Amino acid sequence: GAGVSQSPSNKVTEKGKDVELRCDPISGHTALYWYRQRLGQGLEFLIYFQGNSAPDKSGLPSDRFSAERTGESVSTLTIQRTQQEDSAVYLCASSFMSSYNEQFFGPGTRLTVL
Amino acid sequence: GIQVEQSPPDLILQEGANSTLRCNFSDSVNNLQWFHQNPWGQLINLFYIPSGTKQNGRLSATTVATERYSLLYISSSQTTDSGVYFCAVGNNFNKFYFGSGTKLNVKP
Repeated sequence: GAGVSQSPSNKVTEKGKDVELRCDPISGHTALYWYRQRLGQGLEFLIYFQGNSAPDKSGLPSDRFSAERTGESVSTLTIQRTQQEDSAVYLCASSFMSSYNEQFFGPGTRLTVL
Repeated sequence: GIQVEQSPPDLILQEGANSTLRCNFSDSVNNLQWFHQNPWGQLINLFYIPSGTKQNGRLSATTVATERYSLLYISSSQTTDSGVYFCAVGNNFNKFYFGSGTKLNVKP
């Protein structure tokens, strides 16, 4: 595709529900990154994929957060038993091969937990 | 992890003015990027500049990797330049670290 796409663009959920956020990277980009951005703040690194493997999961805030990637393409970030502090914009980026190369961002998913 | 500090945190300019934004980082890096986050939240790539100097229109950037800083220059600012400017650095462990940003407001 032309760029990184994410869906849904907005998600409102009730506390305690599970949510799934999707990211489609640029075709051919083997590296994929998830970030969280709280209102008025910078970006917080969550997890990185190289192909379908996630060598570094240390940025995930708790065991309620998980992510997977299939076919070296689409990735899903799952948040279980959502809490109000999970409310944020979740951004996905991809780059060719590794962090040596330029990363490109999707438009983000705005998550609101009521 | 790598500490990334951006300054100033806030900047107000009159249209047509020039400005310099700074990014300091605490360790050696293999990637440095500048982004502009527009009012709709989209992150726009400005420069991929782990070292050296680049120019793109009214914007230019310089990274001095040995001294662990990068500068973003905006000349003849326009109202459309408003938003938040982020510096991000990457290391050998394939993580990226973002600064907290410089919020720019260009007034007509």
